[in-house]
Amino acid sequence: DAGVTQSPTHLIKTRGQQVTLRCSPKSGHDTVSWYQQALGQGPQFIFQYYEEEERQRGNFPDRFSGHQFPNYSSELNVNALLLGDSALYLCASSFQGGYTFGSGTRLTVV
Amino acid sequence: GENVEQHPSTLSVQEGDSAVIKCTYSDSASNYFPWYKQELGKGPQLIIDIRSNVGEKKDQRIAVTLNKTAKHFSLHITETQPEDSAVYFCAALFSSGSARQLTFGSGTQLTVLP
Repeated sequence: DAGVTQSPTHLIKTRGQQVTLRCSPKSGHDTVSWYQQALGQGPQFIFQYYEEEERQRGNFPDRFSGHQFPNYSSELNVNALLLGDSALYLCASSFQGGYTFGSGTRLTVV
Repeated sequence: GENVEQHPSTLSVQEGDSAVIKCTYSDSASNYFPWYKQELGKGPQLIIDIRSNVGEKKDQRIAVTLNKTAKHFSLHITETQPEDSAVYFCAALFSSGSARQLTFGSGTQLTVLP
């Protein structure tokens, strides 16, 4: 049974560009959450999607947006990239409780 | 919102000794407390969790305790092995109506010395 799959694993973007990260949840999971993890820190909650709608949002600017598709997969979009957006972006899927994390996408903004 | 504090930030133990990591949370509406292990280059992996209606849970060498009154929960690893070396995160799930938010502590770098 495949767990949470994220793509791409690594990417490098230039300041001011836009990026889209993708996540396929674990089979049977209907909720997707996105986290940003800076080096040496704990994951910070960006937002959560359920039934194709944003259900909860953390303290992140509107440059961060997302989408959930009917098959429960999800995308995270970041516009006008800043150097400070460099981090590991984690996707977690869940169903009535336990969260399963993917291996993340390492984003470097130069 | 919820705030989770985790201590210590680094912990070194000799192989075979026990390790204890402690967390506190702020919001009494939090009702689920997972612990994650994160190895270099990987995402967090759930190792044990506890719900607010339970005071203690054990799985082989790993145990978690929860004190709801004091808003404390702790991870206990016994008979540590070198492969236990990793970063450990505690987390608290806030649930209210349709809102769900999992908040993490800042992490503990555990090193098990052979």
